[in-house]
Amino acid sequence: DAKTTQPPSMDCAEGRAANLPCNHSTISGNEYVYWYRQIHSQGPQYIIHGLKNNETNEMASLIITEDRKSSTLILPHATLRDTAVYYCIVRVTTGTYKYIFGTGTRLKVLA
Amino acid sequence: GAVVSQHPSWVICKSGTSVKIECRSLDFQATTMFWYRQFPKQSLMLMATSNEGSKATYEQGVEKDKFLINHASLTLSTLTVTSAHPEDSSFYICSVPGQGDTNYGYTFGSGTRLTVV
Repeated sequence: DAKTTQPPSMDCAEGRAANLPCNHSTISGNEYVYWYRQIHSQGPQYIIHGLKNNETNEMASLIITEDRKSSTLILPHATLRDTAVYYCIVRVTTGTYKYIFGTGTRLKVLA
Repeated sequence: GAVVSQHPSWVICKSGTSVKIECRSLDFQATTMFWYRQFPKQSLMLMATSNEGSKATYEQGVEKDKFLINHASLTLSTLTVTSAHPEDSSFYICSVPGQGDTNYGYTFGSGTRLTVV
């Protein structure tokens, strides 16, 4: 079973920050949080991942709470092309480990 | 991350025929690949883990005789949907683990949309 829960949908105005929450209250100490997004009729695309520290890359920022039971993906300046389903996944990084996808959040960026 | 090529991107077949989908890792030797299926407006469902040189590992409820997986080389895994029926119509996606410590997570193919008529 998926180990994460996310709101089913969110809207965001173009140019504003999109904050997508994820709950992973049963996360283990050696599990990372990964975020992917899937634009319609394409394969999922990697966005960012982290263990316990906040992370930032050219696409997004990831904020992980101190107890690691939840996290937030931040798209700082959402554009229409960011409209997609966003998935939060937890998994270990040692060895090859399968991803189990939850239901994800359908983000709609509005003009 | 790895560069993954999935082919074909879409296919239409008649009921009762078989369809083969290919997943290639272009720049990374993958001993393991994963196959997912996705129905409209639903999440990705893991079907099986493809293991190079050995049998695939299927998730509960997935018919191994219907969804044949072959991982004969480190760069190619194939999924064959045998005796396809309309209910097998779906979006099939493969994924490949990244290189080294998977800093970029797994890379997914662009998917194959199968329509069985």
